Amino acid sequence: DAGVIQSPRHEVTEMGQEVTLRCKPISGHDYLFWYRQTMMRGLELLIYFNNNVPIDDSGMPEDRFSAKMPNASFSTLKIQPSEPRDSAVYFCASSLVWDRAHEQYFGPGTRLTVT
Amino acid sequence: GQNIDQPTEMTATEGAIVQINCTYQTSGFNGLFWYQQHAGEAPTFLSYNVLDGLEEKGRFSSFLSRSKGYSYLLLKELQMKDSASYLCAVGIGGNTPLVFGKGTRLSVIA
Repeated sequence: DAGVIQSPRHEVTEMGQEVTLRCKPISGHDYLFWYRQTMMRGLELLIYFNNNVPIDDSGMPEDRFSAKMPNASFSTLKIQPSEPRDSAVYFCASSLVWDRAHEQYFGPGTRLTVT
Repeated sequence: GQNIDQPTEMTATEGAIVQINCTYQTSGFNGLFWYQQHAGEAPTFLSYNVLDGLEEKGRFSSFLSRSKGYSYLLLKELQMKDSASYLCAVGIGGNTPLVFGKGTRLSVIA
């Protein structure tokens, strides 16, 4: 398996623009997670899905952030409009239910810079 | 709430041994993970403990005491490539995902 795939790997955009991050989880995994990582706050869980259904989005910072999972092999995280404080590395991870208490497999991340 | 504490930074010398501690207070427990994250890369799985005791895997070992809410990661014969952040994460159980600590940034110096 290719592992969790994320695109783009790097994104530079101007404040106010819409940003869409993409993720393809490992085939067969039931859970998909979106994280944001910064030096100040560490790894923060934004939202997670179980069988394509959003379970907990309490980590989504505000209404500018939205996430979808239209099918088992694809998810998007959208920021509209983007702001400089959204600059961070965004990781997608997936896990298999009952697999060692949800051991998570991370994608390579998308480094987002909003100027 | 869930709370996981680990030191922010540590420095150790090449060839030495270093112990990175993690304490947790969570509403449930069904396993503790250690992840390694090199700068600019994704976290990768290192170890998993669900029972008390020491799990050894090459130069790395991980210890768990459930009664104390305590774990440590032991790195032996340190190499420069071990310079990375080490994240402690706890499985709560049910449908709740892993809870991650903020990570310990380890610098290995010559």
